[in-house]
Amino acid sequence: GIQVEQSPPDLILQEGANSTLRCNFSDSVNNLQWFHQNPWGQLINLFYIPSGTKQNGRLSATTVATERYSLLYISSSQTTDSGVYFCACRSGGSNYKLTFGKGTLLTVNP
Amino acid sequence: DTEVTQTPKHLVMGMTNKKSLKCEQHMGHRAMYWYKQKAKKPPELMFVYSYEKLSINESVPSRFSPECPNSSLLNLHLHALQPEDSALYLCASSQNQMNTEAFFGQGTRLTVV
Repeated sequence: GIQVEQSPPDLILQEGANSTLRCNFSDSVNNLQWFHQNPWGQLINLFYIPSGTKQNGRLSATTVATERYSLLYISSSQTTDSGVYFCACRSGGSNYKLTFGKGTLLTVNP
Repeated sequence: DTEVTQTPKHLVMGMTNKKSLKCEQHMGHRAMYWYKQKAKKPPELMFVYSYEKLSINESVPSRFSPECPNSSLLNLHLHALQPEDSALYLCASSQNQMNTEAFFGQGTRLTVV
């Protein structure tokens, strides 16, 4: 099945800093999503982005499907941005199962 | 409205108990999912229902029994669980199984004692 790799596994920032999270995937995808999991376990949808670039406030994402990677940018980070960020992909080769990467644990210090 | 509602939020059960987790969505989605998440790990797929039919079973032990009574509801029946089954159980839905955005509920935090 599809392999989804995220980097870095852990990231510590000071409030106000910018960061880039990366997701590499091993097969062509027809669905790629970025989620933020809050401390209570809720998975919050950030972007549905199988290709192209999207922006939502301080967050933006780019997926280059031909090169099999996606990037999540967080600008002017806030303490409330802390948590785990997951990339998840679907591919036909994996029976369209939504497969998660291992996540990036982001800690933003005041 | 992009809400998937799961009940209960927390559940403690003994190894001989029978309990059920419930999931509901009113977005007209025809694919629904159960995921299991252990601490500090990513969610792992358990079951997929597509148009109320079981589409994927990821070799889940039979002590977990899914049910999709209609297009809005998804249940997970639990029986004779083990302490290692303690985890966060997440329900999700999407318009279809293939290429549409998935939305997750808040999860049920299950503890087996």
